[in-house]
Amino acid sequence: NAGVTQTPKFQVLKTGQSMTLQCAQDMNHNSMYWYRQDPGMGLRLIYYSASEGTTDKGEVPNGYNVSRLNKREFSLRLESAAPSQTSVYFCASKQINQPQHFGDGTRLSIL
Amino acid sequence: QKEVEQDPGPLSVPEGAIVSLNCTYSNSAFQYFMWYRQYSRKGPELLMYTYSSGNKEDGRFTAQVDKASKYISLFIRDSQPSDSATYLCAMTLNRDDKIIFGKGTRLHILP
Repeated sequence: NAGVTQTPKFQVLKTGQSMTLQCAQDMNHNSMYWYRQDPGMGLRLIYYSASEGTTDKGEVPNGYNVSRLNKREFSLRLESAAPSQTSVYFCASKQINQPQHFGDGTRLSIL
Repeated sequence: QKEVEQDPGPLSVPEGAIVSLNCTYSNSAFQYFMWYRQYSRKGPELLMYTYSSGNKEDGRFTAQVDKASKYISLFIRDSQPSDSATYLCAMTLNRDDKIIFGKGTRLHILP
């Protein structure tokens, strides 16, 4: 049972490049989330999808887009990467009335 | 006033000691409280999940919630070097609401 799988694990981009971070869960969870984690800032919600076919903005959505491809997959896209988006990105999923389960993250550096 | 406050540490204690980790919060409407453990270069892993006030015990871990004081604690008994990690407190208004995370406390258990 893989849980929440994120790809890639590491990526280096140049400013202005685009990139899609992938997330897939095999637990049949309804809701999925994208967070970023920065030193001293904790985990901040970027976007979430309460169920297949819906997406909503979180605390820090600017510069990002998301796609809930199907029940299993939720991707995060940076259209024009900026150095301020250098961070560790975590995907999480949950079932109704249950807590969130996290993947192991994507470390993204933007030069 | 920040919604959730958590001392970042680091907290260093000798192996076998009792560890106390704490968070305070400002929103008295929070009802569900969580503790996540995060090892270096890994995603947060759910450790404890509690509802409202009271204590919950799981092996060497005890979670305590004092809603009157808006204060939650995680106690680790007989601490082990493998407990060295960052511990994140988290809370939410209801089971399916967005989670508010503390910034995490880094814990080092010294052999």
